[in-house]
Amino acid sequence: EVQLVESGGGLVQPGGSLTLSCAASGLIFSSHWMSWVRQAPGKGLEWVANIKPDGSDVYYGDSVKGRFTISRDNTKNSLYLQMNSLRAQDTAVYHCARIRYSDSIFDYWGQGTLVTVSS
Amino acid sequence: DIQMTQSPSTLSASVGDRVTITCRASQSISNWLAWYQQKPGKVPKLLIYEASSLESGVPSRFSGSGSGTEFTFTISSLQPEDFATYYCQQSHSYPATFGQGTRLEIK
Repeated sequence: EVQLVESGGGLVQPGGSLTLSCAASGLIFSSHWMSWVRQAPGKGLEWVANIKPDGSDVYYGDSVKGRFTISRDNTKNSLYLQMNSLRAQDTAVYHCARIRYSDSIFDYWGQGTLVTVSS
Repeated sequence: DIQMTQSPSTLSASVGDRVTITCRASQSISNWLAWYQQKPGKVPKLLIYEASSLESGVPSRFSGSGSGTEFTFTISSLQPEDFATYYCQQSHSYPATFGQGTRLEIK
């Protein structure tokens, strides 16, 4: 059974930084593209970033480009999201998601970790 | 960026009804469209990919069709567990974008 478990969320001040982690199990982690998708409270889904299986290619949404960095450690079956220069509009539940192939279709989702940016 | 527009935003229906949701893309995305179901407090669940392919384990009452810029998602006979919010999503090009969601509620 595929399991994705996020951690690292919390309350952070505007301009601050936070690193999210996602521990994956039940899948051949090193074979899959992975992604972060966020959902602001009461709002819809917003794609944040993708990373290739070997980590050599990454893609970002316009709203986080230059501020967020996606990375992975295939030896630890883990995905990360380093978030800098956080803004109030970054407040959301951040989900780790497995991409089905390389097509940005998300077939497994973690429960998410809440990031609140507020003073 | 490709904009995805769903209609309606809210849909009221009864158990046993046939319901249809429409998703329009701001430019052609071929058949690179997925549909997700999200229940309150739960994570999204993939139902349909490549516009009309049913994800493994998803009941056959769910279906999708369309190509280019116009897509539809249909539930042939609503069941109590189907009341949820549904999202379309294009995977044709970066950035991946979602529709704003359609909330399906009990009439």
